[in-house]
Amino acid sequence: GQNIDQPTEMTATEGAIVQINCTYQTSGFNGLFWYQQHAGEAPTFLSYNVLDGLEEKGRFSSFLSRSKGYSYLLLKELQMKDSASYLCAVVDSNYQLIWGAGTKLIIKP
Amino acid sequence: IAGITQAPTSQILAAGRRMTLRCTQDMRHNAMYWYRQDLGLGLRLIHYSNTAGTTGKGEVPDGYSVSRANTDDFPLTLASAVPSQTSVYFCASSSGGADTQYFGPGTRLTVL
Repeated sequence: GQNIDQPTEMTATEGAIVQINCTYQTSGFNGLFWYQQHAGEAPTFLSYNVLDGLEEKGRFSSFLSRSKGYSYLLLKELQMKDSASYLCAVVDSNYQLIWGAGTKLIIKP
Repeated sequence: IAGITQAPTSQILAAGRRMTLRCTQDMRHNAMYWYRQDLGLGLRLIHYSNTAGTTGKGEVPDGYSVSRANTDDFPLTLASAVPSQTSVYFCASSSGGADTQYFGPGTRLTVL
């Protein structure tokens, strides 16, 4: 079967750095997305990785290792507005997104 | 530019009633999707459409139907609602393939 695993909840301090991990087992791989979802709102796109390595975009970076079935999202200089759920999703062989349950990130002052 | 809109925002429905959730996009995207999101579970694909005139079943299609008469609209119909269909429903669109999916604001549906 297809499976995406990420931690249910994480807590971090404002101004700090946090890493959210995602491991996957899917039928085929055509890329991995990270989305941010604030409570009561729609998911919004953060990043897309299809090749191994680190993609940096401002305070957010995303890393992929296809051989290990592993990705992480790195958030630097945390701000209170970063309190949200972070969703990992893999594009499978049918070009459909398989979604993890999301990681709820709580930022404390 | 509105992007992608959904209606209604929320709805309380009696079991057994028929309900259509509306979704419209103005980005001229070929592909559109319907997901449901339940607490503790990832987004689950209900139905999708890769282009106008075609539809396909996702992971959880039972009890739902869709149509894609044109590029912009992708309505989702619950023929006879049941309490297990209580959920938040998101419509999304993309250019297709592995391209980024953009989400509508969602419809919160409660079936009693």
